[in-house]
Amino acid sequence: AQTVTQSQPEMSVQEAETVTLSCTYDTSESDYYLFWYKQPPSRQMILVIRQEAYKQQNATENRFSVNFQKAAKSFSLKISDSQLGDAAMYFCAYRSAVNYGGSQGNLIFGKGTKLSVKP
Amino acid sequence: SQTIHQWPATLVQPVGSPLSLECTVEGTSNPNLYWYRQAAGRGLQLLFYSVGIGQISSEVPQNLSASRPQDRQFILSSKKLLLSDSGFYLCAWSGWLGQETQYFGPGTRLLVL
Repeated sequence: AQTVTQSQPEMSVQEAETVTLSCTYDTSESDYYLFWYKQPPSRQMILVIRQEAYKQQNATENRFSVNFQKAAKSFSLKISDSQLGDAAMYFCAYRSAVNYGGSQGNLIFGKGTKLSVKP
Repeated sequence: SQTIHQWPATLVQPVGSPLSLECTVEGTSNPNLYWYRQAAGRGLQLLFYSVGIGQISSEVPQNLSASRPQDRQFILSSKKLLLSDSGFYLCAWSGWLGQETQYFGPGTRLLVL
Protein backbone atom coordinates (compact mmCIF):
# COMPACT_ATOMS: atom_id res chain seq x y z
CA ALA A 1 0.00 0.00 0.00
CA GLN A 2 1.12 3.53 -0.68
CA THR A 3 1.99 5.89 2.13
CA VAL A 4 2.71 9.61 2.34
CA THR A 5 4.88 11.10 5.05
CA GLN A 6 5.21 14.75 6.05
CA SER A 7 7.94 14.91 8.66
CA GLN A 8 7.44 18.55 9.66
CA PRO A 9 4.33 19.00 11.83
CA GLU A 10 4.93 22.76 11.98
CA MET A 11 6.98 25.31 10.08
CA SER A 12 7.42 29.04 10.36
CA VAL A 13 8.57 31.62 7.82
CA GLN A 14 9.07 35.36 7.81
CA GLU A 15 6.91 37.34 5.42
CA ALA A 16 8.59 37.75 2.00
CA GLU A 17 10.99 34.88 2.72
CA THR A 18 11.09 31.41 1.17
CA VAL A 19 10.09 28.19 2.87
CA THR A 20 10.23 24.54 1.78
CA LEU A 21 7.82 21.89 3.02
CA SER A 22 8.92 18.27 2.80
CA CYS A 23 7.01 15.22 1.64
CA THR A 24 8.12 11.67 0.97
CA TYR A 25 6.04 8.79 -0.28
CA ASP A 26 6.32 5.09 -0.70
CA THR A 27 5.01 3.24 -3.73
CA SER A 28 5.90 0.43 -6.06
CA GLU A 29 4.06 2.05 -8.95
CA SER A 30 5.75 3.96 -11.73
CA ASP A 31 2.83 6.08 -12.85
CA TYR A 32 1.04 8.33 -10.38
CA TYR A 33 0.19 11.90 -9.47
CA LEU A 34 1.28 14.04 -6.56
CA PHE A 35 -0.50 17.04 -5.11
CA TRP A 36 -0.12 19.77 -2.56
CA TYR A 37 -3.31 21.05 -0.97
CA LYS A 38 -3.70 24.04 1.29
CA GLN A 39 -6.23 24.11 4.14
CA PRO A 40 -6.67 27.61 5.60
CA PRO A 41 -8.60 28.24 8.84
CA SER A 42 -11.85 27.98 6.88
CA ARG A 43 -10.83 24.31 6.43
CA GLN A 44 -11.71 24.10 2.75
CA MET A 45 -9.08 22.11 0.88
CA ILE A 46 -7.59 24.13 -1.96
CA LEU A 47 -5.38 22.66 -4.66
CA VAL A 48 -2.01 24.38 -4.74
CA ILE A 49 -0.08 22.39 -7.30
CA ARG A 50 0.10 18.99 -8.93
CA GLN A 51 2.81 16.89 -10.53
CA GLU A 52 2.55 13.98 -12.95
CA ALA A 53 5.16 11.33 -12.20
CA TYR A 54 5.98 10.81 -15.88
CA LYS A 55 7.03 14.44 -16.23
CA GLN A 56 10.60 15.28 -15.34
CA GLN A 57 9.96 18.99 -15.24
CA ASN A 58 9.00 20.34 -11.84
CA ALA A 59 5.56 21.96 -11.67
CA THR A 60 5.27 25.67 -10.94
CA GLU A 61 2.30 27.85 -10.08
CA ASN A 62 3.22 31.48 -9.50
CA ARG A 63 5.05 31.59 -6.14
CA PHE A 64 4.65 27.85 -5.59
CA SER A 65 7.01 25.28 -7.05
CA VAL A 66 7.91 21.69 -6.34
CA ASN A 67 11.10 19.71 -6.27
CA PHE A 68 10.11 16.27 -7.53
CA GLN A 69 12.75 13.58 -7.06
CA LYS A 70 11.20 10.39 -8.37
CA ALA A 71 14.06 8.06 -7.50
CA ALA A 72 14.19 9.39 -3.96
CA LYS A 73 10.37 9.45 -3.75
CA SER A 74 10.48 13.01 -2.56
CA PHE A 75 8.08 15.83 -3.39
CA SER A 76 8.81 19.10 -1.60
CA LEU A 77 6.90 22.36 -1.94
CA LYS A 78 8.70 25.69 -2.10
CA ILE A 79 6.82 28.87 -1.35
CA SER A 80 8.61 32.02 -2.46
CA ASP A 81 7.91 35.55 -1.25
CA SER A 82 5.70 34.20 1.54
CA GLN A 83 2.56 36.15 2.31
CA LEU A 84 0.37 36.27 5.40
CA GLY A 85 -2.36 34.53 3.42
CA ASP A 86 -0.11 31.53 2.94
CA ALA A 87 -0.56 30.59 6.59
CA ALA A 88 -2.42 27.28 6.58
CA MET A 89 -2.12 23.52 6.88
CA TYR A 90 -0.46 22.02 3.84
CA PHE A 91 -1.16 18.46 2.81
CA CYS A 92 0.82 16.33 0.42
CA ALA A 93 -1.24 13.71 -1.42
CA TYR A 94 -0.62 10.76 -3.73
CA ARG A 95 -2.91 9.30 -6.35
CA SER A 96 -2.28 6.21 -8.39
CA ALA A 97 -2.73 6.49 -12.12
CA VAL A 98 -4.03 2.93 -12.23
CA ASN A 99 -7.78 2.37 -12.09
CA TYR A 100 -8.36 -0.20 -9.37
CA GLY A 101 -11.83 -1.64 -9.85
CA GLY A 102 -13.39 1.69 -10.69
CA SER A 103 -11.79 3.61 -7.86
CA GLN A 104 -10.21 6.04 -10.29
CA GLY A 105 -7.28 6.25 -7.92
CA ASN A 106 -8.19 7.56 -4.50
CA LEU A 107 -6.08 10.22 -2.80
CA ILE A 108 -3.74 9.22 -0.01
CA PHE A 109 -2.86 12.13 2.26
CA GLY A 110 0.00 12.89 4.58
CA LYS A 111 -0.76 14.21 8.05
CA GLY A 112 -0.02 17.80 7.11
CA THR A 113 2.36 20.62 7.97
CA LYS A 114 1.10 23.72 9.72
CA LEU A 115 2.74 26.79 8.22
CA SER A 116 2.86 30.06 10.13
CA VAL A 117 3.87 33.31 8.47
CA LYS A 118 5.36 36.05 10.67
CA PRO A 119 4.86 39.69 9.66
CA SER B 1 -17.00 26.39 -14.27
CA GLN B 2 -17.56 23.65 -11.76
CA THR B 3 -18.67 24.30 -8.20
CA ILE B 4 -19.31 22.00 -5.29
CA HIS B 5 -21.68 22.67 -2.43
CA GLN B 6 -22.08 21.09 0.97
CA TRP B 7 -24.69 21.58 3.64
CA PRO B 8 -25.16 22.13 6.36
CA ALA B 9 -21.97 24.02 7.14
CA THR B 10 -22.17 23.17 10.84
CA LEU B 11 -24.19 20.58 12.72
CA VAL B 12 -24.50 19.69 16.39
CA GLN B 13 -26.28 16.41 17.03
CA PRO B 14 -26.90 14.22 20.09
CA VAL B 15 -25.54 10.71 20.28
CA GLY B 16 -27.93 8.22 18.74
CA SER B 17 -29.59 10.70 16.40
CA PRO B 18 -29.64 10.26 12.60
CA LEU B 19 -27.44 12.14 10.18
CA SER B 20 -27.77 13.37 6.63
CA LEU B 21 -25.10 15.45 4.92
CA GLU B 22 -25.54 16.53 1.34
CA CYS B 23 -23.09 17.33 -1.41
CA THR B 24 -23.93 18.59 -4.89
CA VAL B 25 -21.75 19.43 -7.85
CA GLU B 26 -22.55 21.86 -10.65
CA GLY B 27 -21.03 22.34 -14.06
CA THR B 28 -19.93 18.79 -14.80
CA SER B 29 -21.44 15.43 -15.71
CA ASN B 30 -20.62 11.93 -14.50
CA PRO B 31 -18.22 13.08 -11.81
CA ASN B 32 -16.51 10.74 -9.39
CA LEU B 33 -17.60 11.73 -5.90
CA TYR B 34 -15.86 11.22 -2.58
CA TRP B 35 -16.57 11.62 1.13
CA TYR B 36 -13.65 12.26 3.48
CA ARG B 37 -13.50 12.75 7.23
CA GLN B 38 -10.91 14.80 9.04
CA ALA B 39 -10.71 14.33 12.79
CA ALA B 40 -9.21 17.15 14.87
CA GLY B 41 -5.47 17.48 14.29
CA ARG B 42 -5.36 14.62 11.83
CA GLY B 43 -5.23 14.03 8.10
CA LEU B 44 -8.03 13.09 5.76
CA GLN B 45 -9.56 9.65 5.72
CA LEU B 46 -11.50 8.47 2.68
CA LEU B 47 -14.90 7.09 3.69
CA PHE B 48 -16.76 6.46 0.45
CA TYR B 49 -16.42 7.05 -3.25
CA SER B 50 -18.83 6.74 -6.15
CA VAL B 51 -18.22 6.42 -9.87
CA GLY B 52 -21.89 6.62 -10.84
CA ILE B 53 -25.51 6.71 -9.71
CA GLY B 54 -26.17 4.00 -7.17
CA GLN B 55 -22.54 2.87 -7.19
CA ILE B 56 -20.94 3.27 -3.78
CA SER B 57 -17.67 1.86 -2.50
CA SER B 58 -16.78 1.92 1.18
CA GLU B 59 -13.21 2.29 2.34
CA VAL B 60 -13.63 1.75 6.08
CA PRO B 61 -16.19 -0.16 8.15
CA GLN B 62 -18.31 2.16 10.26
CA ASN B 63 -21.86 3.14 11.10
CA LEU B 64 -21.99 5.59 8.20
CA SER B 65 -23.44 4.99 4.76
CA ALA B 66 -23.51 6.89 1.50
CA SER B 67 -25.91 7.16 -1.38
CA ARG B 68 -25.91 8.73 -4.81
CA PRO B 69 -29.50 9.22 -5.90
CA GLN B 70 -28.61 11.57 -8.76
CA ASP B 71 -25.59 12.06 -10.97
CA ARG B 72 -24.33 15.11 -9.10
CA GLN B 73 -25.65 14.45 -5.62
CA PHE B 74 -23.85 12.54 -2.90
CA ILE B 75 -25.34 11.96 0.55
CA LEU B 76 -23.66 10.78 3.74
CA SER B 77 -25.96 9.24 6.34
CA SER B 78 -26.10 7.52 9.67
CA LYS B 79 -28.98 5.93 11.53
CA LYS B 80 -27.40 6.46 14.96
CA LEU B 81 -24.49 8.81 15.54
CA LEU B 82 -21.59 7.96 17.82
CA LEU B 83 -19.33 10.37 19.68
CA SER B 84 -16.49 9.21 17.45
CA ASP B 85 -18.36 10.47 14.38
CA SER B 86 -17.48 14.05 15.30
CA GLY B 87 -15.20 15.68 12.77
CA PHE B 88 -14.99 17.68 9.62
CA TYR B 89 -16.57 16.06 6.57
CA LEU B 90 -15.39 16.98 3.13
CA CYS B 91 -16.95 16.08 -0.19
CA ALA B 92 -14.84 16.08 -3.34
CA TRP B 93 -15.31 15.49 -7.04
CA SER B 94 -13.09 14.55 -9.94
CA GLY B 95 -13.62 13.87 -13.61
CA TRP B 96 -14.77 10.40 -14.56
CA LEU B 97 -11.93 9.71 -16.92
CA GLY B 98 -8.44 11.08 -17.10
CA GLN B 99 -9.10 14.04 -14.83
CA GLU B 100 -7.19 13.02 -11.82
CA THR B 101 -7.40 16.11 -9.64
CA GLN B 102 -9.94 16.13 -6.83
CA TYR B 103 -11.67 19.37 -5.93
CA PHE B 104 -13.15 19.82 -2.51
CA GLY B 105 -16.26 21.41 -1.12
CA PRO B 106 -16.33 23.79 1.86
CA GLY B 107 -16.97 20.98 4.34
CA THR B 108 -19.36 20.30 7.21
CA ARG B 109 -18.36 20.51 10.85
CA LEU B 110 -20.15 17.82 12.84
CA LEU B 111 -20.14 17.76 16.60
CA VAL B 112 -21.79 14.81 18.32
CA LEU B 113 -22.60 15.38 21.99
